[in-house]
Amino acid sequence: AQTVTQSQPEMSVQEAETVTLSCTYDTSESDYYLFWYKQPPSRQMILVIRQEAYKQQNATENRFSVNFQKAAKSFSLKISDSQLGDAAMYFCASANAGGTSYGKLTFGQGTILTVHP
Amino acid sequence: NAGVMQNPRHLVRRRGQEARLRCSPMKGHSHVYWYRQLPEEGLKFMVYLQKENIIDESGMPKERFSAEFPKEGPSILRIQQVVRGDSAAYFCASSPRLSTDTQYFGPGTRLTVL
Repeated sequence: AQTVTQSQPEMSVQEAETVTLSCTYDTSESDYYLFWYKQPPSRQMILVIRQEAYKQQNATENRFSVNFQKAAKSFSLKISDSQLGDAAMYFCASANAGGTSYGKLTFGQGTILTVHP
Repeated sequence: NAGVMQNPRHLVRRRGQEARLRCSPMKGHSHVYWYRQLPEEGLKFMVYLQKENIIDESGMPKERFSAEFPKEGPSILRIQQVVRGDSAAYFCASSPRLSTDTQYFGPGTRLTVL
């Protein structure tokens, strides 16, 4: 079974500064995917970034980047030049690429990010 | 390309009634996943369906809950004889192919059981 742990219930950052959200995971599968989703007050789940475990290069999407440490099973999200619109709940998630549990996402507990003007 | 559609957005039921939640995947997507989010918690997987087939229902409660994804029409999550503990946000996600594809989420249905 997969588990995903987010140890920071809440984080805050000043506008234009950088913040890092932590995530660790556990899986027995060799092929899997990792994701960060954002859930603003509207509750819509929005994909922020995706990482294939077989790729060593860290994924980036504009101001969002990840630090993927496969051996440590760590997958942190870095938000640069934080904006007020980044305020939301952030969920880390994993999905197996094969096996009986393929496809389904396992989510962490979430981290509430507050952005101060 | 319209996103994943869910309706209703809000649903209020009394204990013992039935709740029907509908999900229309993105155009071209044949894989549907349902997740439940209890208050102050992350999303939990319930069921994974392809057209006319349930692939994985390991997260679905054994009683009162059922799901379908017919050849035509939306996917339906059905909860019979609802109880207060069923109050939650129910999210549907769709993907075009297999497990390697990113899932795109609908806006969710917030179910309140009185």
